[in-house]
Amino acid sequence: QQQVKQSPQSLIVQKGGISIINCAYENTAFDYFPWYQQFPGKGPALLIAIRPDVSEKKEGRFTISFNKSAKQFSLHIMDSQPGDSATYFCAASIGGFKTIFGAGTRLFVKA
Amino acid sequence: GAVVSQHPSWVICKSGTSVKIECRSLDFQATTMFWYRQFPKQSLMLMATSNEGSKATYEQGVEKDKFLINHASLTLSTLTVTSAHPEDSSFYICSAIAGGGETQYFGPGTRLLVL
Repeated sequence: QQQVKQSPQSLIVQKGGISIINCAYENTAFDYFPWYQQFPGKGPALLIAIRPDVSEKKEGRFTISFNKSAKQFSLHIMDSQPGDSATYFCAASIGGFKTIFGAGTRLFVKA
Repeated sequence: GAVVSQHPSWVICKSGTSVKIECRSLDFQATTMFWYRQFPKQSLMLMATSNEGSKATYEQGVEKDKFLINHASLTLSTLTVTSAHPEDSSFYICSAIAGGGETQYFGPGTRLLVL
């Protein structure tokens, strides 16, 4: 019940394409869903976050879609660039605490 | 804003020695800090939650006597790996939350190699 399932494990996208990463959760107590980007040897950096009372949030090229009834949420990266190549983690928490991370998605954007 | 630093960025030590890792919030007061461990190509695993001035709360399976956490001020938390062994080699990352907030800001991580 505490798991956050993330897919795909890896993703290859052409430059300019759309990258889509999906996550699903079980615990309905989760109320905060951030996405993090991590480059090798670095700490995760917050990309965008959403709460369950919102179905979509967009910041620049990054969009989160949230389906509360299905307990699923996804990250869309529009106009993907080689510089976006990194590992992306979805996460779920209760007010920022007890954060559970997904397994991560390694994104590679081909030039 | 919301910058978290860690020191050292990497450390190599001999088996049996202790290693201290510092985590600092540089431009905000962190009422709560978290310590994570990440193995190569794996996700982050929460080790413990620390609140300023109180004892840390450890996750199940994390030895509190091995991983000593001190959160002495609103801008500093330390993790001490005592009697380190090769299996403790990992990437240790801290994060911090400002009072009343829910966003965790992560440090750059500390890579520990125990020989």
